[in-house]
Amino acid sequence: QLQLQESGPGLVKPSETLSLTCTVSGGSISSSSYYWGWIRQPPGKGLEWIGSIYYSGSTYYNPSLKSRVTISVDTSKNQFSLKLSSVTAADTAVYYCARHRGYCSSTSCYPKMGFDPWGQGTLVTVSS
Amino acid sequence: NFMLTQPHSVSESPGKTVTISCTGSSGSIASNYVQWYQQRPGSAPTTVIYEDNQRPSGVPDRFSGSIDSSSNSASLTISGLKTEDEADYYCQSYDSSNRVVFGGGTKLTVL
Repeated sequence: QLQLQESGPGLVKPSETLSLTCTVSGGSISSSSYYWGWIRQPPGKGLEWIGSIYYSGSTYYNPSLKSRVTISVDTSKNQFSLKLSSVTAADTAVYYCARHRGYCSSTSCYPKMGFDPWGQGTLVTVSS
Repeated sequence: NFMLTQPHSVSESPGKTVTISCTGSSGSIASNYVQWYQQRPGSAPTTVIYEDNQRPSGVPDRFSGSIDSSSNSASLTISGLKTEDEADYYCQSYDSSNRVVFGGGTKLTVL
């Protein structure tokens, strides 16, 4: 059974860079049918997609966060990571990683389907 | 920017049927698949409907999804409501640039 687990600091200072890693177990991150995504949820608010990455390194980002976000993949460790720079209190949220199903043909694959499964989420607080 | 609009909250009695709408701001909602997620307090979201109207294994057939092109909306219908269905529900789809869009979420109260 595929499982995802987020890890990283729970407290980040304003203006610094938030860094999280998602470890995938029970399956390969190099599957040709899936992207791997990050989604966040501020306390008491709704879900916000951050971005998604393919095992090849191809990425899609939320335009509202794109200037501050970097998502990378390490296939040897079956992990993918999120970096969000210049954080403020508005970036305080539960951060989830999830498998993101692709809409794939023989020549291309786009992240156009759903997220499943999700990791349990990790709360990151931005505060001095 | 493409947006998905959901009612903030809905409530219904056990045993009844409730429908949660998800309306697209522009274009055709039928152009991309819609997913629905259930999120109980303190837990990660789980899929209850994918690809407009498909149910994952383990999700009861009391849950169903549909698309109405005339109103540019998707709907999640839950019949035979149970108290365990009380949760937040989110729709999700895509804009014309393949960027993910979530609806704002609907709090379902079963009372």
